Amino acid sequence: TQLLEQSPQFLSIQEGENLTVYCNSSSVFSSLQWYRQEPGEGPVLLVTVVTGGEVKKLKRLTFQFGDARKDSSLHITAAQPGDTGLYLCAGEERGSTLGRLYFGRGTQLTVWP
Amino acid sequence: SQTIHQWPATLVQPVGSPLSLECTVEGTSNPNLYWYRQAAGRGLQLLFYSVGIGQISSEVPQNLSASRPQDRQFILSSKKLLLSDSGFYLCAWSTGGVYGYTFGSGTRLTVV
Repeated sequence: TQLLEQSPQFLSIQEGENLTVYCNSSSVFSSLQWYRQEPGEGPVLLVTVVTGGEVKKLKRLTFQFGDARKDSSLHITAAQPGDTGLYLCAGEERGSTLGRLYFGRGTQLTVWP
Repeated sequence: SQTIHQWPATLVQPVGSPLSLECTVEGTSNPNLYWYRQAAGRGLQLLFYSVGIGQISSEVPQNLSASRPQDRQFILSSKKLLLSDSGFYLCAWSTGGVYGYTFGSGTRLTVV
């Protein structure tokens, strides 16, 4: 059973377009993290959101944590080829002293010049 | 600064051969350590995690084992590899909370 569902699985767009990636769950998380992974490399942390309703901006990337802390979204404005990669969301289990994360299956984004 | 080293980067092993992948962390003490496997560039499957020396928890029954002989060393092993063990193996560390996981650069294992 996949705890975190990401959609879409694949996204192919032209440079300059906007896009949104979704991460949904029926479980409540104490925090949610977004990672980006390039081929042959490990994922790299982009952001952590911890408060229900929180919105964080990282240049052209906007991350939102749902009010109920069950879902999150990543919005990219004016996508560029350098944004290409696998975007993974990960939720930290509530009450975990271990910092255990549950990962979604990821959204493979391709931005064409 | 904290860094994580994982090696080798790629490995081709025959079925039935042993495996040893090593991961070391620098610049932090008593980290939580994790081994993940990723199939075909998709989601990460947690294999093992460790909160301290000699403490290993397994998430999925399988042909693999893990050990933590030192605080900042995490080893993934197998006595006899199967074809299904092929994949991209990632080591990670964390101290929990908002700082997330720091991943190594991964090992691409192909069992032939």
